[in-house]
Parts: sequence; structure tokens; C-alpha cells
Amino acid sequence: NAGVTQTPKFQVLKTGQSMTLQCAQDMNHEYMSWYRQDPGMGLRLIHYSVGAGITDQGEVPNGYNVSRSTTEDFPLRLLSAAPSQTSVYFCASRVEAGASYEQYFGPGTRLTVT
Amino acid sequence: AQSVTQLDSQVPVFEEAPVELRCNYSSSVSVYLFWYVQYPNQGLQLLLKYLSGSTLVKGINGFEAEFNKSQTSFHLRKPSVHISDTAEYFCAVSVRSGAGSYQLTFGKGTKLSVIP
Repeated sequence: NAGVTQTPKFQVLKTGQSMTLQCAQDMNHEYMSWYRQDPGMGLRLIHYSVGAGITDQGEVPNGYNVSRSTTEDFPLRLLSAAPSQTSVYFCASRVEAGASYEQYFGPGTRLTVT
Repeated sequence: AQSVTQLDSQVPVFEEAPVELRCNYSSSVSVYLFWYVQYPNQGLQLLLKYLSGSTLVKGINGFEAEFNKSQTSFHLRKPSVHISDTAEYFCAVSVRSGAGSYQLTFGKGTKLSVIP
């Protein structure tokens, strides 16, 4: 199993540009989520999905869109990039939405917005 | 609302010395607690978790944590650290959302630096 994969690893955008961060998992997990990591802030939840076709907002959803058309994929879209979105983005998945399941993380995408 | 406080942002420790990374949580209901580790330029991986039962939880790489309900703490310990333990450590609590699913809420992290 490849686990959770993310592309690209690095990206530089100009303010106002849009892009999609890709996330895929091959573990047949129902639950997937996106976090951003900023220095001294820990990880903050952007959006999550409890299954194909079902998504919901996390703690910091503004400026981001998601959709979940398949179990495997959970892309994150930046609609109009802003310097405040400079961050490291992590995708994660787990078996289902229950409390006790281990969450598996991808290697991250480092995004810089100039 | 549940939250997690990691009391130290950075902890330097000499190789082969013991270490304790502190974590406190706030909650009025049953909690599920986790410690994750992030090595430089990598994603997070699970060290250990507390769901119920024994309050002393053992994890990978010689780490253990003790759940203390009266003090609302879940401190991480290792009796003898190695250079390879240099990483950032995150405490997390599983929080039930209004829709009924559970989300992980993370502390701000503690950077452990092991000094040769």
C-alpha cells in the first residue's frame, strides 16, 4: 500500500491564482481530512469528509473548497490564493469517522503564495 | 469545547537522559487522546493512543504516556532519549462534531531537541 499520497510536494503561487492540491489513499478509508500547519500553531482542520459525496467544514475553511467524488480522492482547491495561505498542507485518512481510529497522514505540500 | 495545551514549545535534553513532554486537555466528557510525532520534513505518525482501560499507555520507540483524569493530563515520557528522537511531538484529542463524527484537535506542538 502507498498509504496517503499528496501532490505536488512544493508549489509557489502568485496572489489571486487558483490551484488544486491532490490527495489520494489506497486503504479504502471512509474518512479523509485536510489540515494546515503553521509555525507555533499546530495543525488546524480545514475540511473533512466522512464518505464519498459528504464533506463538511473544519476550523479554518475560508478560501478553500473540497469535494469527494470517490472514496480514494479528496482534492483541496484554493480559489484565489492569498499570502495568508502560505503553509504546509497535510491530508489524512482513517477507517471511519469514529473516535478511536488512527489517522494516517500524507507527506505534505509546502505552499508559498507571493 | 475541547482543547489541548502543550505546556512547552521547545524541550532540549541530553542524549540518554529522560524526558517528559506535557499535555493538558479540557473536557467535560469522555476523551480519546493521542500523541503523534513529526520528523523533519515528514508527515505525522502515531506514537500512542488512550481510549479506555489502563491509564499507562505504551507506544512505539520506547515512549509511554499516562492518562490522569483528575489532572486532565496526558504527559509523554521516555526514560532514555536518542538522537533519532529529535522531532516535533503533538498531543491531540478526539472531539465529537455537531454532525456526529469525530475530529482530531491538536496542540501547538513541542519540539524535542536531543543534544549529543
